[in-house]
Amino acid sequence: ETGVTQTPRHLVMGMTNKKSLKCEQHLGHNAMYWYKQSAKKPLELMFVYNFKEQTENNSVPSRFSPECPNSSHLFLHLHTLQPEDSALYLCASSQDWGGLSYGYTFGSGTRLTVV
Amino acid sequence: DQQVKQNSPSLSVQEGRISILNCDYTNSMFDYFLWYKKYPAEGPTFLISISSIKDKNEDGRFTVFLNKSAKHLSLHIVPSQPGDSAVYFCAASARAGANNLFFGTGTRLTVIP
Repeated sequence: ETGVTQTPRHLVMGMTNKKSLKCEQHLGHNAMYWYKQSAKKPLELMFVYNFKEQTENNSVPSRFSPECPNSSHLFLHLHTLQPEDSALYLCASSQDWGGLSYGYTFGSGTRLTVV
Repeated sequence: DQQVKQNSPSLSVQEGRISILNCDYTNSMFDYFLWYKKYPAEGPTFLISISSIKDKNEDGRFTVFLNKSAKHLSLHIVPSQPGDSAVYFCAASARAGANNLFFGTGTRLTVIP
């Protein structure tokens, strides 16, 4: 149990579907992140929330829409995705800004397949 | 344009021997470096870190070395154990932009019993 829980673990969706990924952290951290891991590519930062406020959006297409209702929960809403969006989506949290002191705590990820 | 590179996608080592995983970076503003370990079907877990004011940090069997002039860091695992078999990611951060960790593509380590 990592303290960061992601659901669902696996998701297959059509290009016209709307779905949401959920992340929950039980560590009392104040920052949460969405990362994307595609095959043979480094982890790519998508969004950063610090104290529920979005502070980073790394030029992510609008078909990905994050939501952070409180410091413990983070959602990634998906709509009209493309097959190239298929990847492992990882949620992470940290105590310090940027996680410099303790590193990030990652969830197990959601394996997304867009058909 | 990758700022953190792990040029070896895989490494195999005999149990009990030393494993050396390498990482290079291009951004001279990076001053904090981390290693993460990832098992299949799990998220990456923080392993060890080093600040640019140091050139070595040790934690049990794991030691990270930093060569700032070469923009190179390495992770040494001694002795290697079968349970160390995983994908290892190198990550770097610049304090000025501390809300972003830049990751390498990972090196898959296999420790052969």
